[in-house]
Amino acid sequence: KNQVEQSPQSLIILEGKNCTLQCNYTVSPFSNLRWYKQDTGRGPVSLTIMTFSENTKSNGRYTATLDADTKQSSLHITASQLSDSASYICVVSLRLTGANNLFFGTGTRLTVIP
Amino acid sequence: DAGITQSPRHKVTETGTPVTLRCHQTENHRYMYWYRQDPGHGLRLIHYSYGVKDTDKGEVSDGYSVSRSKTEDFLLTLESATSSQTSVYFCAISDPGRLNTEAFFGQGTRLTVV
Repeated sequence: KNQVEQSPQSLIILEGKNCTLQCNYTVSPFSNLRWYKQDTGRGPVSLTIMTFSENTKSNGRYTATLDADTKQSSLHITASQLSDSASYICVVSLRLTGANNLFFGTGTRLTVIP
Repeated sequence: DAGITQSPRHKVTETGTPVTLRCHQTENHRYMYWYRQDPGHGLRLIHYSYGVKDTDKGEVSDGYSVSRSKTEDFLLTLESATSSQTSVYFCAISDPGRLNTEAFFGQGTRLTVV
């Protein structure tokens, strides 16, 4: 069964600290993995996208890693800011056409406090 | 921002009335999706479309129908709204045929059924 699991469900950190979010998946055939940020009341916005051949990708203070062998990904946030408070969603895509090809984790709710 | 627009953004309706939500895109993406988002559940797929007149059910399709008569528009209809359909609805678009394509999301429609 195609599944995407994220941990932790929620996280509270102090401003300026680093944190790491986890995503495990059992999706096949794998195409790519994306991390999205969703601010309250808004649609998700892409942070990074990684294919099976990519191990690390950065976008400013966000760094995503992918281990295609163990089917695990992480999102590391450096020097957190109050504006990082949001839900972070892991989305895995299948190499399929004519069928649903997007599988979502339930997200990690990050709260950054001053 | 990707050219994807949802309408209306907010709607309050009475139980038993029909409701139609519209998703419009200007990106010429082949796939379009409707999701609902409820606390504790993340994004759940209602219906998706992989081409004009090609649609299929997602995991929470009961009580919903869709139509896609042209590439740009994907309509979600609640034939007879119930209070359990109170939710935030998101439309998304993607094109699996494009390398490293990502899914783009609309801003959401908050539907309240009273």
